[in-house]
Amino acid sequence: GESVGLHLPTLSVQEGDNSIINCAYSNSASDYFIWYKQESGKGPQFIIDIRSNMDKRQGQRVTVLLNKTVKHLSLQIAATQPGDSAVYFCARMTTDSWGKLQFGAGTQVVVTP
Amino acid sequence: NAGVTQTPKFQVLKTGQSMTLQCAQDMNHEYMSWYRQDPGMGLRLIHYSVGAGITDQGEVPNGYNVSRSTTEDFPLRLLSAAPSQTSVYFCASSGGPGDITGELFFGEGSRLTVL
Repeated sequence: GESVGLHLPTLSVQEGDNSIINCAYSNSASDYFIWYKQESGKGPQFIIDIRSNMDKRQGQRVTVLLNKTVKHLSLQIAATQPGDSAVYFCARMTTDSWGKLQFGAGTQVVVTP
Repeated sequence: NAGVTQTPKFQVLKTGQSMTLQCAQDMNHEYMSWYRQDPGMGLRLIHYSVGAGITDQGEVPNGYNVSRSTTEDFPLRLLSAAPSQTSVYFCASSGGPGDITGELFFGEGSRLTVL
């Protein structure tokens, strides 16, 4: 069936370095791929999304890349800061199932000084 | 602007008890949904609604009921709690497909323990 999965459960990054979080998906019919950040004890917080007709989208210190050929999605965080320590989820949604997110298991990002 | 508000934040139940998790949003969003999050896992969709009076099942609906009598509120009911329902529950809301982004706004979560 359709799925959204992450490659690594934990990513350790030194403060100031760039972080790359990867995600694989199995169905190219998705209209939206979305990255969420979840800090301990809080609800998921929207970071950035990308439509399936795009390859790249940039936000503040974040870039999402979508490779439809290999069905791979990545989130790049520039100059990682201690406040970036959190669990990051990729999720997918289609216009046929708007508001119904399918989440991956998450990657724990740990920023070390 | 409160966004999505969930109550209670914490609840302990005994097996067989019933309760309702409340969710309210003040953004006039049509779409609302409930997710559960278990340790080491992503969020899984329980039920969702595309507008007042319209609800549908998600991935893990068994043991839960919902209703949507107003745009603002989307309560989740556990009729007979089971230990397998111990989890953190998140309510979310969003605008429709015509919106600029696909962002869902999440509440802070309700942590439920069933003994």
